[in-house]
Amino acid sequence: GAGVSQSPSNKVTEKGKDVELRCDPISGHTALYWYRQRLGQGLEFLIYFQGNSAPDKSGLPSDRFSAERTGESVSTLTIQRTQQEDSAVYLCASIKPRPGTRSSYNEQFFGPGTRLTVL
Amino acid sequence: AQSVTQLDSQVPVFEEAPVELRCNYSSSVSVYLFWYVQYPNQGLQLLLKYLSGSTLVKGINGFEAEFNKSQTSFHLRKPSVHISDTAEYFCAVSALSDTGRRALTFGSGTRLQVQP
Repeated sequence: GAGVSQSPSNKVTEKGKDVELRCDPISGHTALYWYRQRLGQGLEFLIYFQGNSAPDKSGLPSDRFSAERTGESVSTLTIQRTQQEDSAVYLCASIKPRPGTRSSYNEQFFGPGTRLTVL
Repeated sequence: AQSVTQLDSQVPVFEEAPVELRCNYSSSVSVYLFWYVQYPNQGLQLLLKYLSGSTLVKGINGFEAEFNKSQTSFHLRKPSVHISDTAEYFCAVSALSDTGRRALTFGSGTRLQVQP
């Protein structure tokens, strides 16, 4: 389809292991966000990519979290030495900002998320 | 910094009844407001958004929301719900930013459960 895709859909891992989550944004969408949704809570902003600009990492909860994006394509979110509190659904969203507008009010298209369970 | 409060974690309602999902926000600057819906096992989908202009915003699936600046609210309403409206609803706010790099701040969500 033409939507945002994420893989894997579910990931179960043991405490202390590293995990890598993948997001394929909609083609042509220059901006990409990662969010975390803990059970029963709202979405927490993690990181934002806009074109070739330096990413906004202000939402990353610790240095165990990192993310990369090559150009305007796939992004990977890596969590090192996972902890049980990292268990959550990790959501990716992409935007195609309209010229002359701020991305903050353009619609974000969300992927289905990756459900991460750390045992 | 901005914050969003959704006062009801769950709202049970009978089919064809009206519903209102409440959302209040706090921000020191002008904001844009959004409602997203998340159906089971699906990603979030935009229902409607308020950027400027008329304070009554109409969205998809018969939903509407009214921006009330004095009460800092953006409640979502539908006059007659269907079983298919059962989902999680998230209110979100985005503050104006010179860089345009501001992410959305989401509320904790309200689960709408429509019963036959």
